[in-house]
Amino acid sequence: SAVISQKPSRDICQRGTSLTIQCQVDSQVTMMFWYRQQPGQSLTLIATANQGSEATYESGFVIDKFPISRPNLTFSTLTVSNMSPEDSSIYLCSVGLAGGRTEAFFGQGTRLTVV
Amino acid sequence: LAKTTQPISMDSYEGQEVNITCSHNNIATNDYITWYQQFPSQGPRFIIQGYKTKVTNEVASLFIPADRKSSTLSLPRVSLSDTAVYYCLVVSTGTASKLTFGTGTRLQVTL
Repeated sequence: SAVISQKPSRDICQRGTSLTIQCQVDSQVTMMFWYRQQPGQSLTLIATANQGSEATYESGFVIDKFPISRPNLTFSTLTVSNMSPEDSSIYLCSVGLAGGRTEAFFGQGTRLTVV
Repeated sequence: LAKTTQPISMDSYEGQEVNITCSHNNIATNDYITWYQQFPSQGPRFIIQGYKTKVTNEVASLFIPADRKSSTLSLPRVSLSDTAVYYCLVVSTGTASKLTFGTGTRLQVTL
């Protein structure tokens, strides 16, 4: 399995500012993903964080709004830029392991409130 | 990926068996059926995965009929701590950790 640590666990931010969320994994992983979960809703995939190259974004999400870094195989950041109240959500980091493992592991999430 | 449909919510009493059915009519040959559990304020947690027939682990059983167009997650003798949202997902070989979540089933267990 993989242990995933996300920071911060929660934050309250002013509109127009940016917040960077960190995701640290206790082992090297092949795949890292970022999801958003709006209040009372299911999870939506934002992007795949690619090590050493630009992230791959899903439809409806753009790099200018959600820049992602992945400098190595154990760490990634997601920035929520120029925030508005509509960005209030839980943001979750997820990883997949190599070797034919088919399950994904999730962090506890970062609960973001924009005021 | 095949779209999944499952009940929005279910209620159960403690000690009962709970069966949550999911339909995935357009499942492909290389697809697996996977279930995740999410407690409030936590990320989803893998429960069980299967391809066909029956799979059982320490947490649940998964029943998949021959046509694979549906599946049933069975939770034996639920307790209050099983109150959570349960997601049925169809995952493809090779991209199994990149997940597309449906609405999920919100299970409420009471005394």
